[in-house]
Amino acid sequence: GAGVSQSPSNKVTEKGKDVELRCDPISGHTALYWYRQRLGQGLEFLIYFQGNSAPDKSGLPSDRFSAERTGESVSTLTIQRTQQEDSAVYLCASSLAGELYNEQFFGPGTRLTVL
Amino acid sequence: AQSVSQHNHHVILSEAASLELGCNYSYGGTVNLFWYVQYPGQHLQLLLKYFSGDPLVKGIKGFEAEFIKSKFSFNLRKPSVQWSDTAEYFCAVNAARGSTLGRLYFGRGTQLTVWP
Repeated sequence: GAGVSQSPSNKVTEKGKDVELRCDPISGHTALYWYRQRLGQGLEFLIYFQGNSAPDKSGLPSDRFSAERTGESVSTLTIQRTQQEDSAVYLCASSLAGELYNEQFFGPGTRLTVL
Repeated sequence: AQSVSQHNHHVILSEAASLELGCNYSYGGTVNLFWYVQYPGQHLQLLLKYFSGDPLVKGIKGFEAEFIKSKFSFNLRKPSVQWSDTAEYFCAVNAARGSTLGRLYFGRGTQLTVWP
């Protein structure tokens, strides 16, 4: 079946512009996560959606970052007024539930380059 | 806050050599532990996981990992590596309970290069 998909796969933008990154989770997965991987670093948690509960936004690095999710489907991560330090691969993952034992399935990522 | 340390950033081995990649985590509570692998050009995928029970867990492709609670470690092992094991390996943990349920904390990754 289809896995997690993300678009675009690559995005180059100029400093100060806004960008939107999209994630389509696996159908039926109620939990959705966004992570960021900067060069030479591990994955860094950004935000977590679980069903209709309020999202856990505690990993968002600044108020320039926001994310939305429509029901239990598509999510968009928006970065406003991009800065060069926002350059990274942004990964989305989904799982059956945000509880203890479920495996997170990762998408291919969006490579964001801010010039 | 939780943190994960992977001791080796780049490991180079010849085929048939044995592999051990170190992973230590920092967290006082009960954790779930994972190793993820990213082959060149592919997505991150789960290699193995530990939730409870036997601290020696076996994963895909002959990998295994041992959870040593007293050492806060979850080292990955494989007795004989193959060229196809060339990839980046990430150790990750999440809290088994509490407000950070679901959120994975990752190490920086270890790039494994296996020469044929």
